[in-house]
Amino acid sequence: EIVLTQSPGTLSLSPGERATLSCRASHSVNSSYLAWYQQKPGQAPRLLIYGASSRATGIPDRFSGSGSGTDFTLTISRLEPEDFAVYYCQQYGSSPPMYTFGQGTKLEIK
Amino acid sequence: QVQLQESGPGLVKPSETLSLTCTVSGASISSYYWTWIRQPPGKGLEWIGYIYYSGTTNYNPSLKSRVTISVDTSKNQFSLNLYSVTAADTAVYYCARRRVVPANGYYYYYMDVWGKGTTVTVSS
Repeated sequence: EIVLTQSPGTLSLSPGERATLSCRASHSVNSSYLAWYQQKPGQAPRLLIYGASSRATGIPDRFSGSGSGTDFTLTISRLEPEDFAVYYCQQYGSSPPMYTFGQGTKLEIK
Repeated sequence: QVQLQESGPGLVKPSETLSLTCTVSGASISSYYWTWIRQPPGKGLEWIGYIYYSGTTNYNPSLKSRVTISVDTSKNQFSLNLYSVTAADTAVYYCARRRVVPANGYYYYYMDVWGKGTTVTVSS
């Protein structure tokens, strides 16, 4: 089973700043199988990025994903007030065939 | 616009069965995969399993012995049964649509539409 480790656990930034969130896998992940979600308090997760770098429908272009192998990054180029939330990475592994999520990074207002 | 809505008891006694249903609107349940995910209070997301409209299933190995997911295409619904529950099964349960999209010789795997979630507490 592939374990995803996200860092930092909490990131404190101000609106307008750039956010860089990391997701590291215990074994190499096919980048096609890597996704990112945003979750606000009391809400369901929302898909942001799939295939490591493709933005989901309706997602602003300030969100971008990159990476390959074991290291993946979600970047928010210029933080808006509505971007402060918890972010999860997710991968689909083939051995065994299952989804795993990172433990999340909380992005909070500084 | 595809919408998913979870329904079921909010309180389940220990050792009993947790049963939830997800009703899909705005799309046919056929031709897609559907999944259940849960989130214990203050914790992260845990994938439970998924089902194809044909009935093919795949479960999280850690829950496999206690889980059944089924589909009712006539009602455009799919369901979760989690047996012999304990307090550790207390969580918000989400249903979601699983996408498997071909791309460049591989597939993209992700959940693109989620229900709002339903809270289930296991307590006597």
